[in-house]
Amino acid sequence: ILNVEQSPQSLHVQEGDSTNFTCSFPSSNFYALHWYRWETAKSPEALFVMTLNGDEKKKGRISATLNTKEGYSYLYIKGSQPEDSATYLCASAGNNRKLIWGLGTSLAVNP
Amino acid sequence: DAGVTQSPTHLIKTRGQQVTLRCSPKSGHDTVSWYQQALGQGPQFIFQYYEEEERQRGNFPDRFSGHQFPNYSSELNVNALLLGDSALYLCASSFHREQQSRYEQYFGPGTRLTVT
Repeated sequence: ILNVEQSPQSLHVQEGDSTNFTCSFPSSNFYALHWYRWETAKSPEALFVMTLNGDEKKKGRISATLNTKEGYSYLYIKGSQPEDSATYLCASAGNNRKLIWGLGTSLAVNP
Repeated sequence: DAGVTQSPTHLIKTRGQQVTLRCSPKSGHDTVSWYQQALGQGPQFIFQYYEEEERQRGNFPDRFSGHQFPNYSSELNVNALLLGDSALYLCASSFHREQQSRYEQYFGPGTRLTVT
């Protein structure tokens, strides 16, 4: 993988459902992995910055895991709420320290 | 404590014109990065400024230039505008550290540029 890829591109879930999506990134020369939430008409907001293989981070109902050897990160949302509706972006930095961004996963939570 | 601010919020220009976008970083931050987000795309890194110098640059032509002022605010200049330059331009600020990309960035609301 040469770029940062996110899947799925979009997701529709019902309120209360748990969901997860994936960020794939180049595993060689890995430096850091960022997750951001971008709500419509607002600025992107940082969720997590992860650097260590096996890292798990949690913020409320949202958590993320990191596998640097195989080059992927999962973002989990437990019990989705309508206010979780947003685009979730991930970005990976290699040894050149430049962040490469994915296209995002657009999540819509129906009440 | 003001967050990252950008001006203007919207801008319409015609092809061939020049544009200047402005960004003020979050209080206490000294590093400013600029991103372009075209419709349907993820943010693309343009360049980063620290200590009034361009420190990193993405894959953008020389028509894109910038400046950082002693108060850490920054400008993005685009010359000879093309239709393809229409996009949302985001500014993000952070505090400079050697391992800078291991720390979160704070984004402004963006400037929507339309080139006709």
